[in-house]
Amino acid sequence: DGGITQSPKYLFRKEGQNVTLSCEQNLNHDAMYWYRQDPGQGLRLIYYSQIVNDFQKGDIAEGYSVSREKKESFPLTVTSAQKNPTAFYLCASSSRDTNSYNEQFFGPGTRLTVL
Amino acid sequence: AQSVTQLDSQVPVFEEAPVELRCNYSSSVSVYLFWYVQYPNQGLQLLLKYLSGSTLVKGINGFEAEFNKSQTSFHLRKPSVHISDTAEYFCAVIHAGGTSYGKLTFGQGTILTVHP
Repeated sequence: DGGITQSPKYLFRKEGQNVTLSCEQNLNHDAMYWYRQDPGQGLRLIYYSQIVNDFQKGDIAEGYSVSREKKESFPLTVTSAQKNPTAFYLCASSSRDTNSYNEQFFGPGTRLTVL
Repeated sequence: AQSVTQLDSQVPVFEEAPVELRCNYSSSVSVYLFWYVQYPNQGLQLLLKYLSGSTLVKGINGFEAEFNKSQTSFHLRKPSVHISDTAEYFCAVIHAGGTSYGKLTFGQGTILTVHP
């Protein structure tokens, strides 16, 4: 089955620790995205990548870092510089046909709680 | 830049009643419009989208939405809801072309609760 996997589903960390969230897709999509979801605020874009070895900041990139070494993988690191990291994190991917809109497909999410 | 406002944070409704979830957007350029559904602790699933053509679009699970350019709205409707429709619904927009590639802008979400 093709799709997007995120692991782990729940993650607990102590304040001041860096933590890395995994996102893997087998849809052969070029573009991948990370969103943060907080109650009552919808989803906000953290980082996105249109192609391997390239990524751009979204609207709320401060305190986060990403890498895109493989087409299938787009891990997100929540650093100790992120002031309020407790949230639900969603990864998405899409194809990259420049002639049409490309639907974003979402993973099941990781709920991060910082104690 | 675009923005999206979902006018109701929560909508309670009885089973088999009709429902409308309201969405207004603001943009200086043409946009594509979407409705997503999210069940508790899950990812988002696309319900329907408007890219061009007919302003009335039909989606999965019996939902439909109408694009109204003059009122900059994209309200979601279902004539008869089921308990299983209980979920959070998100309206989203994206710039139709240009440099905003892939950058969806989401509304705050509307929690639909269907009561028996």
